[in-house]
Amino acid sequence: GAVVSQHPSWVICKSGTSVKIECRSLDFQATTMFWYRQFPKQSLMLMATSNEGSKATYEQGVEKDKFLINHASLTLSTLTVTSAHPEDSSFYICSAVQGVHEQYFGPGTRLTVT
Amino acid sequence: QKEVEQNSGPLSVPEGAIASLNCTYSDRGSQSFFWYRQYSGKSPELIMFIYSNGDKEDGRFTAQLNKASQYVSLLIRDSQPSDSATYLCAPATGANNLFFGTGTRLTVIP
Repeated sequence: GAVVSQHPSWVICKSGTSVKIECRSLDFQATTMFWYRQFPKQSLMLMATSNEGSKATYEQGVEKDKFLINHASLTLSTLTVTSAHPEDSSFYICSAVQGVHEQYFGPGTRLTVT
Repeated sequence: QKEVEQNSGPLSVPEGAIASLNCTYSDRGSQSFFWYRQYSGKSPELIMFIYSNGDKEDGRFTAQLNKASQYVSLLIRDSQPSDSATYLCAPATGANNLFFGTGTRLTVIP
């Protein structure tokens, strides 16, 4: 149980284009999902909290107009990186909450912007 | 400012030994504590969580929590090379958020 998938697992895009990443909880419903970013040899950085049916809550310093989050159902949240630039290249990981606090992570999406 | 500190690594132990991973946290309001394992290039994997003071055992893993000291640890018995990874400590807040430490990199030497 508690399986979370992400799609795509990796993506290469050109600077200025937009990229959508999907996060799905496969065997449970998740009212809350989180989006993280991780640069090489650094810890996870929480970007935003995604709640089903409401607007996402963004962490300080994360541009909400650049990183669009939509949590349209209890099993799907999407992150769209708009007008991507090389500095947005990173490992993007989502997690879904099952129970009180248990977060289960997706396998991550490696984004490279050229 | 919520902070999570983990013992600086890298930590190397021989195969079969006990690996001890430590974590202190600053938020006294934290009630739940999670340990994740992250292999290089992969996403974190939940291995244990603990809510109450004392010890919690699951197979070769034992989590220990002391809320008064704001300290949580993870012991790995009979360490295996496959345990080589970065271990992340994460206290939870009431808002479901986890605050991750920078992690301790463990290497188990065959």
